Amino acid sequence: EAGVTQFPSHSVIEKGQTVTLRCDPISGHDNLYWYRRVMGKEIKFLLHFVKESKQDESGMPNNRFLAERTGGTYSTLKVQPAELEDSGVYFCASSPGLALYNEQFFGPGTRLTVL
Amino acid sequence: GQQLNQSPQSMFIQEGEDVSMNCTSSSIFNTWLWYKQDPGEGPVLLIALYKAGELTSNGRLTAQFGITRKDSFLNISASIPSDVGIYFCAGPRFQGAQKLVFGQGTRLTINP
Repeated sequence: EAGVTQFPSHSVIEKGQTVTLRCDPISGHDNLYWYRRVMGKEIKFLLHFVKESKQDESGMPNNRFLAERTGGTYSTLKVQPAELEDSGVYFCASSPGLALYNEQFFGPGTRLTVL
Repeated sequence: GQQLNQSPQSMFIQEGEDVSMNCTSSSIFNTWLWYKQDPGEGPVLLIALYKAGELTSNGRLTAQFGITRKDSFLNISASIPSDVGIYFCAGPRFQGAQKLVFGQGTRLTINP
């Protein structure tokens, strides 16, 4: 069974440009999460989808970030316009169901560099 | 918000040595998780702890859920080159929460 996949693996853009990251969760997983790790710091939660609905977007930094999950399958995270502080590794994770605790399976991440 | 303080930030050891790292919080956690991130990959769950005082092993890895529920420890015995990576502690922010809070990570480097 395929794991969580993310595209692209790396992206280098200039400040002010737009970037869209994509995540394909494990098939059948209703929960999809976005996290971000800024260099050397902790991995921080951005938001959580249950199917196509945003369950929790409390970690989204500001309105330059827009996440979607149309149809409840893959998700996109768009940053527009990108700023220097947006650089980091963006991880997507997925998990099945909503039991007390479900293991989250992480993708390899997208490394975003904003120049 | 809740923060997990992980130490040490980095470790440089010789192959065969044992490794210890820990994670502390000012708040109680009901679940402690230890993840490992290999270079170019995403974090992979190593051990999950659900009960205060619990001691769980996974091969050469042993993790403990602190009795106060505010800390956790991860030990690696007889390190080998493939143990290189970044180790993160993590946990759900509160009982039943799905989003995870992570520590800053411990970067492990092994000299052969």
